[in-house]
Amino acid sequence: DAGVIQSPRHEVTEMGQEVTLRCKPISGHDYLFWYRQTMMRGLELLIYFNNNVPIDDSGMPEDRFSAKMPNASFSTLKIQPSEPRDSAVYFCASSLGTGDGYTFGSGTRLTVV
Amino acid sequence: QKEVEQNSGPLSVPEGAIASLNCTYSDRGSQSFFWYRQYSGKSPELIMSIYSNGDKEDGRFTAQLNKASQYVSLLIRDSQPSDSATYLCALNTGTASKLTFGTGTRLQVTL
Repeated sequence: DAGVIQSPRHEVTEMGQEVTLRCKPISGHDYLFWYRQTMMRGLELLIYFNNNVPIDDSGMPEDRFSAKMPNASFSTLKIQPSEPRDSAVYFCASSLGTGDGYTFGSGTRLTVV
Repeated sequence: QKEVEQNSGPLSVPEGAIASLNCTYSDRGSQSFFWYRQYSGKSPELIMSIYSNGDKEDGRFTAQLNKASQYVSLLIRDSQPSDSATYLCALNTGTASKLTFGTGTRLQVTL
């Protein structure tokens, strides 16, 4: 298995632009998670899906953030408009089910200038 | 009180020594506990899971869980320079599949 695949690896964008991050979970994993990691706040859960349905989006910072999972093999996290404070590493992770650990993707390092 | 607390370190241990990493948590309902290792610039990697009180050993790693005292620890025996990384404690809080992470302890194994 190729693991959790994220793209792009790095993204540099100007403030106000739209940013779309992509994730392909491990086949057969029913759960997909989006996390953001910064030095100050560590790993923060943004949203997670179970069987393509959003279950908990309480960690999404504000309306500028949105996430979709149109099918079992693809998810996007979109920021529109982007702001410098959104600069962070965004990780996607997937898991088989309740009580299981996650497998993380390689992450997307986002820099908003 | 934070949900998951870890000393940020750095924790410095000499090569060959035992490294002891600790984590405390606030939610008594937590049932699943995990340790992740994260090298600088890389993604977290699952190294241990533990679900019941006591010790669980896997090679040089031992996870210890004490639900009454609300702490979980990770022991690394015969520490190697390649163990130098940040170790993240994670556990489920509330909804079973949602993990909350500590901010991590940075471990440095010196030659």
